[in-house]
Amino acid sequence: QFALTQSPSASASLGASVKLTCTLDSGHSDFAIGWLQQQPGRGPRYLMRLNGDGSHNRGDGIPVRFSGSSSGAERYLTISSLQSEDEADYYCQTWDTGSVIFGGGTKLTVL
Amino acid sequence: QMQLVESGGGVVQPGRSLRLSCAASGFIFRDYAMHWVRQAPGKGLEWLTGIAHDGSNKYHVDSVKGRFAISRDNSKKTLFLQMNNLRIEDTAVYYCAGDTSGPLDIWGQGTTVIVSS
Repeated sequence: QFALTQSPSASASLGASVKLTCTLDSGHSDFAIGWLQQQPGRGPRYLMRLNGDGSHNRGDGIPVRFSGSSSGAERYLTISSLQSEDEADYYCQTWDTGSVIFGGGTKLTVL
Repeated sequence: QMQLVESGGGVVQPGRSLRLSCAASGFIFRDYAMHWVRQAPGKGLEWLTGIAHDGSNKYHVDSVKGRFAISRDNSKKTLFLQMNNLRIEDTAVYYCAGDTSGPLDIWGQGTTVIVSS
């Protein structure tokens, strides 16, 4: 079992960009992850798969202003041209044989 | 349109049982591994248990071992979670989710379970 670490909160202004971070523990630094968005009162929504080399595949209907990148054990979600509906909790998720692991989530506030 | 719809939640006393269902539509259910994930009030996501696309393998977190059981009926495109000996701390929104290659890329809207005396 291993861990994903996320900062509890982040904030950015309407129309700006924000970069959220998910850190894999040192023994799993090459793992791929998924990014999820959970708007208030709603179920999670899949945003993308992000690989260790930084390549990513957005889910159906996910705008291109959501993008991913990687550096070592860090996985990033960048949201450009922030809109009010982007205010949400963002979770990273990974998997290993027999288990699924979630990060603690980052609450994004759009100012 | 790919969709998962959970049902079966409600208010139940400690020690009692509940069976959740998750009905799939709009995609090939039998191609997906399926999972149950819960979210306690004000908390993050917690994976509970998963089942292979054909039901051949099942996995679970230690905290629900011996109490919760996952199963699926591919002919009816339905996933189940049998929850026994429920505890106060099992109070949460329960989501079903599916994957074909690792990321959980399809989610339901959730069903609420409240365990209270």
